[in-house]
Amino acid sequence: RKEVEQDPGPFNVPEGATVAFNCTYSNSASQSFFWYRQDCRKEPKLLMSVYSSGNEDGRFTAQLNRASQYISLLIRDSKLSDSATYLCVVMDTGRRALTFGSGTRLQVQP
Amino acid sequence: NAGVMQNPRHLVRRRGQEARLRCSPMKGHSHVYWYRQLPEEGLKFMVYLQKENIIDESGMPKERFSAEFPKEGPSILRIQQVVRGDSAAYFCASSPKDTQYFGPGTRLTVL
Repeated sequence: RKEVEQDPGPFNVPEGATVAFNCTYSNSASQSFFWYRQDCRKEPKLLMSVYSSGNEDGRFTAQLNRASQYISLLIRDSKLSDSATYLCVVMDTGRRALTFGSGTRLQVQP
Repeated sequence: NAGVMQNPRHLVRRRGQEARLRCSPMKGHSHVYWYRQLPEEGLKFMVYLQKENIIDESGMPKERFSAEFPKEGPSILRIQQVVRGDSAAYFCASSPKDTQYFGPGTRLTVL
């Protein structure tokens, strides 16, 4: 079983749509959680950290459920520029190494 | 404030040659990390360093790979006697604490 699992997609959605991505992680000792986005052949860029209380940044909302070991990302009012691969990332307690999911590809269409 | 810098951006080597990848962290960041992304795969952690110390090398292959972060100068990831399977994008990240910021990567192609 992979440490961080994501649906690879692709998710093809029209502009303006709301789309949700899910992710599960296997290590209950994971302590920090992030969503990164990666454009084709570019470096990962931090989108947002994920907190137990849930957090929102503009059109993006992230949720964490520690009991179910489940992380989600909601994107509202999708823009063409949101097209990218979204990476679910965890950091385990006592370590600084990031464990990446394989990513979910989003394609927003006009 | 310049971001994480990596060079070269593209590197071509023949089998058996050495590859040296360099990473300069963001100003004020003392933690450096190396990750590898094989074609069509996710990023995999390789090594975590602070100045002059390797903190966690649990993701480094046992042979041919080494990393350093000297007191002065950039961090270096060194791959000796490269093989075709080493072809990948190598990303460096730096952090002040937990949040890691990535450089543009070095794309290594082994012929």
